[in-house]
Amino acid sequence: DQQVKQNSPSLSVQEGRISILNCDYTNSMFDYFLWYKKYPAEGPTFLISISSIKDKNEDGRFTVFLNKSAKHLSLHIVPSQPGDSAVYFCAASEGNAGNMLTFGGGTRLMVKP
Amino acid sequence: SQTIHQWPATLVQPVGSPLSLECTVEGTSNPNLYWYRQAAGRGLQLLFYSVGIGQISSEVPQNLSASRPQDRQFILSSKKLLLSDSGFYLCAWGTGGWNTEAFFGQGTRLTVV
Repeated sequence: DQQVKQNSPSLSVQEGRISILNCDYTNSMFDYFLWYKKYPAEGPTFLISISSIKDKNEDGRFTVFLNKSAKHLSLHIVPSQPGDSAVYFCAASEGNAGNMLTFGGGTRLMVKP
Repeated sequence: SQTIHQWPATLVQPVGSPLSLECTVEGTSNPNLYWYRQAAGRGLQLLFYSVGIGQISSEVPQNLSASRPQDRQFILSSKKLLLSDSGFYLCAWGTGGWNTEAFFGQGTRLTVV
């Protein structure tokens, strides 16, 4: 049973527009949520995170929104750039589980010039 | 600053051969260490984690084992590889603190033929 799901395997966006990547989770014990970016043949790099006590966290062009009642989070990238093209993974953890992360299946973002 | 090294980057091994992948972390002490696997077209699955020397926990039953002979060294092994062991293996470290991220190595692409 997948506890973290990214239902869109791919997303194509025009450069300069907004990219919205979505993620759903089922485990109500998750209280920390992260987004990682991954290029082919490389390890994922940490992008942004949000604690369950917040509903929004912003870092430059990247904003993560958390809707706890819906068990849903999203990553907004504005404006999107061709260099943002990568696979984005949503991940979640229970606070007392250290860094043990449960990952979604990933969404491949393609930003077209 | 902390760095994580993982090698080799790519590996082609015949079915039935042994496996040893090594991961080392620099610039930190007593990290939590993790082995993940990404199968083709899928998300990252946690295989093993370690909170200290000689302490290994397995998340899924499989043909693999892990060891932590030193504080900042984590090894993934198999005595006899199966075709299904093919995938992208990632080592990661974290502080184990509440609501903290994990940092990944560059990964090893293993192809069992």
